[in-house]
Amino acid sequence: EIVLTQSPGTLSLSPGERATLSCRASQSVPRNFLAWYQQKPGQAPRLLIFGASNRATGIPDRFSGSGSGTDFTLTISRLEPEDFAVYYCQQYATSPLTFGGGTKVEIK
Amino acid sequence: EVQLVESGGGLVQPGGSLRLSCSGSGFTFSTYWMAWVRQAPGKGLEWVANIKQDGSEQYYMDSVKGRFTISRDNAKNSLYLQMSSLRVEDTAVFYCAGGSGWLIQHWGQGTLVTVSS
Repeated sequence: EIVLTQSPGTLSLSPGERATLSCRASQSVPRNFLAWYQQKPGQAPRLLIFGASNRATGIPDRFSGSGSGTDFTLTISRLEPEDFAVYYCQQYATSPLTFGGGTKVEIK
Repeated sequence: EVQLVESGGGLVQPGGSLRLSCSGSGFTFSTYWMAWVRQAPGKGLEWVANIKQDGSEQYYMDSVKGRFTISRDNAKNSLYLQMSSLRVEDTAVFYCAGGSGWLIQHWGQGTLVTVSS
């Protein structure tokens, strides 16, 4: 099983600042099948990034993903008020599919 | 627009059974891998099971093997999760989800399952 560890647990930032979220895998993620999701309170998750660096349809270009192997990063270049949420990484290469524990991006 | 709508959640006693359903629309249901993902109150996301487009392959997380069964009816654009021997720790919002391959692209709004005496 590929275990995903996200850091930090909470990120306190102001609108307009840059957010950098980390996701580290216990072993290499095959084919970089790593996705990022955003979840707001009371809502279902929304796909942001797939294949480590590909934005999903309709996702603003302030969201970017990078990394390969075991180390992945989600960057939000300039935080908008609607970006404050919880972010999860997930690997979809091998069963069981696994999620990281999440990073909460909160308003400072 | 892709829509996934879950139903069937509710309160059940430990050891009991429940069947969740999910209806899909706005896409060709038979071309998607489908999955169930759950989220315990205040906790993170946890993949439960997924099923291939034609239903010929299913995969489960270890803690639900032998207790949960995922199935689908492509003629009805529907996904199911039959849950038995439910435990308190199965309490969660269950999301129906699907996409291309094992990538989860679309999510329903979820249905709450509460296991309590």
